[in-house]
Amino acid sequence: EIVMTQSPATLSVSPGERATLSCRASQSVRRNLAWYQQKPGQAPRLLIFGASTRASGIPGRFSGSGSGTEFTLTISSLQSEDFAVYYCHQYDNWPPWTFGQGTKVEVK
Amino acid sequence: MQLLQSGAEVKRPGSSVKVSCKASGDTISNHAFSWVRQAPGQGLEWMGGIIPMQGIADYAQKFQGRVTNTADESTGTVYMELSSLKPEDTAVYYCARVAPTAVITPRGAYDIWGQGTLVTVSS
Repeated sequence: EIVMTQSPATLSVSPGERATLSCRASQSVRRNLAWYQQKPGQAPRLLIFGASTRASGIPGRFSGSGSGTEFTLTISSLQSEDFAVYYCHQYDNWPPWTFGQGTKVEVK
Repeated sequence: MQLLQSGAEVKRPGSSVKVSCKASGDTISNHAFSWVRQAPGQGLEWMGGIIPMQGIADYAQKFQGRVTNTADESTGTVYMELSSLKPEDTAVYYCARVAPTAVITPRGAYDIWGQGTLVTVSS
């Protein structure tokens, strides 16, 4: 089973600042990596797939990069609606498909 | 496509629960689906998936023997049944569509999610 490790667990950022979230895989997942945003009481929302492709309707301030075992989600200028929990998800090696434990982005 | 899940359930330990996920706006035959659960205050956990057109289901080893994924193409509904429930199965259960590609495959990001179904297991 591929273990996905996200860091940091919590990121405190001021509105308008850049946020950088990391996700590390215990073995290569090539570029089969997605990022989701989840707000309290809501289902996750797909932000990025294929490590760097924005999903439909996702603002340009969200960008993904990386391949193999190291991935990054960057939010270039945090808006109030971006404070949430973010998960990475590998869909390269199965079973099982696995998720990171999440990074909470909170207001500084 | 939208996914509408069945309502919250309260179950006794040892019983079973069957959660439904009804698709609208597209036929389920064109897609693969997964079930993901989230315990209170915890992260996301993949349980298994199904490709309705092929009738193929797969499961995480953790749930093997306790979970069954099925689909009814005539009603556009996928189902997840979990048996031998334990208190630690208390969670929100989500169905999710695997983002479409050239071929129907369980490998992919989840681009559409149901609203979630809270299952509470308590004596």
